[in-house]
Amino acid sequence: KNEVEQSPQNLTAQEGEFITINCSYSVGISALHWLQQHPGGGIVSLFMLSSGKKKHGRLIATINIQEKHSSLHITASHPRDSAVYICAVRGRGGGADGLTFGKGTHLIIQP
Amino acid sequence: DAGVIQSPRHEVTEMGQEVTLRCKPISGHDYLFWYRQTMMRGLELLIYFNNNVPIDDSGMPEDRFSAKMPNASFSTLKIQPSEPRDSAVYFCASSTPSGGGEQFFGPGTRLTVL
Repeated sequence: KNEVEQSPQNLTAQEGEFITINCSYSVGISALHWLQQHPGGGIVSLFMLSSGKKKHGRLIATINIQEKHSSLHITASHPRDSAVYICAVRGRGGGADGLTFGKGTHLIIQP
Repeated sequence: DAGVIQSPRHEVTEMGQEVTLRCKPISGHDYLFWYRQTMMRGLELLIYFNNNVPIDDSGMPEDRFSAKMPNASFSTLKIQPSEPRDSAVYFCASSTPSGGGEQFFGPGTRLTVL
């Protein structure tokens, strides 16, 4: 069983819809990352969080440490949000451990 | 800063050949990570370095893979001999604890082994 589970695997929505992507993990972590990978293949870090909630523009990320669960929300979705969104966790080891990744959520926003 | 730089961006080689992938981390970052992405397994950590020292290489698939970091601004990932199942996109990333541990990814090297 993968240590990081994402849902849904695929999501198609209409422009303007509110989007939620979920991530559950089974290990103790020091931080959780949300990454975005566009069709060109580049990976961009969206959020890194260890508690609570963060917001950047139309993107919101939340984490519940007790429940071992995080969500990524996109408000007023736009076709340019179409990408693969990847949840990744960093272990509790000292320093900056390497990430363990979910399989990703392939999001398509139709105009 | 130019970000994390990887070369080559694309590599096509024949089975049995040696392949060397290169990475230049962001200046001042003291952690460097090598990841591999395939359709079947997604993204996986291969190895990471702290201050040029390998810390965790448990993700390196087998002895055919080796990685070095001779100085703070350069790392290599070598596959010898290469096999078709090594075909993947290899990403390098760097970070620094003063930045909270956020990782910055390079553009990746797409490797095809025929």
